[in-house]
Amino acid sequence: DAKTTQPPSMDCAEGRAANLPCNHSTISGNEYVYWYRQIHSQGPQYIIHGLKNNETNEMASLIITEDRKSSTLILPHATLRDTAVYYCIVRVVSGAGNMLTFGGGTRLMVKP
Amino acid sequence: DADVTQTPRNRITKTGKRIMLECSQTKGHDRMYWYRQDPGLGLQLIYYSFDVKDINKGEISDGYSVSRQAQAKFSLSLESAIPNQTALYFCATRQGASGELFFGEGSRLTVL
Repeated sequence: DAKTTQPPSMDCAEGRAANLPCNHSTISGNEYVYWYRQIHSQGPQYIIHGLKNNETNEMASLIITEDRKSSTLILPHATLRDTAVYYCIVRVVSGAGNMLTFGGGTRLMVKP
Repeated sequence: DADVTQTPRNRITKTGKRIMLECSQTKGHDRMYWYRQDPGLGLQLIYYSFDVKDINKGEISDGYSVSRQAQAKFSLSLESAIPNQTALYFCATRQGASGELFFGEGSRLTVL
């Protein structure tokens, strides 16, 4: 699986959009981009994933650049409950070895 | 009730003791995983299983063993616990290769 690079921490004002970047310059054509988050010491929670096109669900939006070398997770109106560590992961969705590898992630602090 | 249940949630033990962490799921998923998380770090994959009797090593399997005797249950054992195995352990499940991971609430293990 391709390696990802994320900033270790970010701050965001409550009510504003939180934009979390992820660099995955060695991504392969068949690798998807996944985002999970971990609130305090709870189990990680799935947020969204995509291959090429931008994706949106009830939690967030995922913007993937045309060359697929980077992506941005957008929380449109961040709340205090969005304070968490956000993990960007790329992986192949097929085969026997499609394990998810979690790196250090970005610690997002939403402030009042 | 949680879909992925881990027991015990907290355990303190001594060096050299045998410890078993249990994971059970009601989601009917075929794939189950054990991850370890050290303070301030991401998750590392210990073992994973794609079906009953199927066992695969992850990134950090040394010092651990697992058992998948039923689809709904995946247990992690530390045959002789050592202090550097003090960590937060997560069980996760997934249906097939492309589904999202669902995590349990974690088991905090302290080895003195």
